[in-house]
Amino acid sequence: EAGVVQSPRYKIIEKKQPVAFWCNPISGHNTLYWYLQNLGQGPELLIRYENEEAVDDSQLPKDRFSAERLKGVDSTLKIQPAELGDSAVYLCASSWTGAGGELFFGEGSRLTVL
Amino acid sequence: GQQVMQIPQYQHVQEGEDFTTYCNSSTTLSNIQWYKQRPGGHPVFLIQLVKSGEVKKQKRLTFQFGEAKKNSSLHITATQTTDVGTYFCAGHPGGYQKVTFGIGTKLQVIP
Repeated sequence: EAGVVQSPRYKIIEKKQPVAFWCNPISGHNTLYWYLQNLGQGPELLIRYENEEAVDDSQLPKDRFSAERLKGVDSTLKIQPAELGDSAVYLCASSWTGAGGELFFGEGSRLTVL
Repeated sequence: GQQVMQIPQYQHVQEGEDFTTYCNSSTTLSNIQWYKQRPGGHPVFLIQLVKSGEVKKQKRLTFQFGEAKKNSSLHITATQTTDVGTYFCAGHPGGYQKVTFGIGTKLQVIP
């Protein structure tokens, strides 16, 4: 069974540039999450989708971050414009059930903003 | 909002010694999960505890959920170099509320 697939694995951009991350969850997983992980910290939820609906985006900085999950399968997280403080690992995860289920994480996308 | 505190933040042990990490939630939990993240890797699910006072074992790992369902611990007996990594607890208050991760305990095992 294929795991959660994310791309790109690494991205280096200059501040004020846009960046996008893509995630393909495990087949059949209706719930998809985007997490932010800073160095030495635990993952922090940015947004959770149930199928194509964003059911929890309270932690997503909506002035510069956006996400979509068209057709309820793969998802894209975008940052525009990027700031220095956005340098972090962006983790995608999926689960069978809703908010409290076992999370299957992708390998993450490491963003460096110069 | 819910807070999940985890201690210690770092732990160095000699190979063969035991290791314990503790997790405390500011609110009562429906369940608690534990994840392991190897250096340079991503978090990998270890276990989920649901019942008050529950104890589960996975080989050398023992997980406990407190009677009040607000705290938990992970104990590793006779650590090995393969145990190196960061161990996160993640608490779920229930329903549609989000899971909150602790800061993690980074374990170093000295051969």
